[in-house]
Amino acid sequence: DAKTTQPNSMESNEEEPVHLPCNHSTISGTDYIHWYRQLPSQGPEYVIHGLTSNVNNRMASLAIAEDRKSSTLILHRATLRDAAVYYCILRSSGNAGNMLTFGGGTRLMVKP
Amino acid sequence: GAGVSQSPRYKVTKRGQDVTLRCDPISSHATLYWYQQALGQGPEFLTYFNYEAQPDKSGLPSDRFSAERPEGSISTLTIQRTEQRDSAMYRCASSSGLAGGPTSFGPGTRLTVL
Repeated sequence: DAKTTQPNSMESNEEEPVHLPCNHSTISGTDYIHWYRQLPSQGPEYVIHGLTSNVNNRMASLAIAEDRKSSTLILHRATLRDAAVYYCILRSSGNAGNMLTFGGGTRLMVKP
Repeated sequence: GAGVSQSPRYKVTKRGQDVTLRCDPISSHATLYWYQQALGQGPEFLTYFNYEAQPDKSGLPSDRFSAERPEGSISTLTIQRTEQRDSAMYRCASSSGLAGGPTSFGPGTRLTVL
């Protein structure tokens, strides 16, 4: 599976936007870009996913570079509740099972 | 169901005992996954089922670990002759199986082997 690279940690102020970067330079054409987050003491939670076009949902936005070698998860207005580990994961439609392979993720800290 | 459920939520056992963990996936989901998560780490894949078939057991740490999904819905993960290193959070997840769809995770079972 293609790998992703994320910063180990980031800080944000409450009520400000947060841009979480992810590099995936070896992405293939069949790879979807998925983002999950894990709040303290909880299971991973689906945030958003995309293939080529930018995506928006009620939780976040996903901006995908034109060459698909990087993407950015955008939280438009961070709250204390958004403090979590954010995982950027490539999921290939060419792989049986399509299991998620978690890397280290980015630990987001939100300051009041 | 509304989401993925797991039981028990906590299990404490003595070294050498067998334990069985249960997962009830979202009813419409064909694919079910088991993950192991150590403290401070991301989840690690153990095995998955597509309905009742188990195409990939590559993540199971040893032959003491086994999983079943006999009717394509509820699944169990059994650890025989538990060892202290088996202590971890065990998470079940389910999805439609499509790469372009979300995966839903259960709350996990915290296993402690004394």
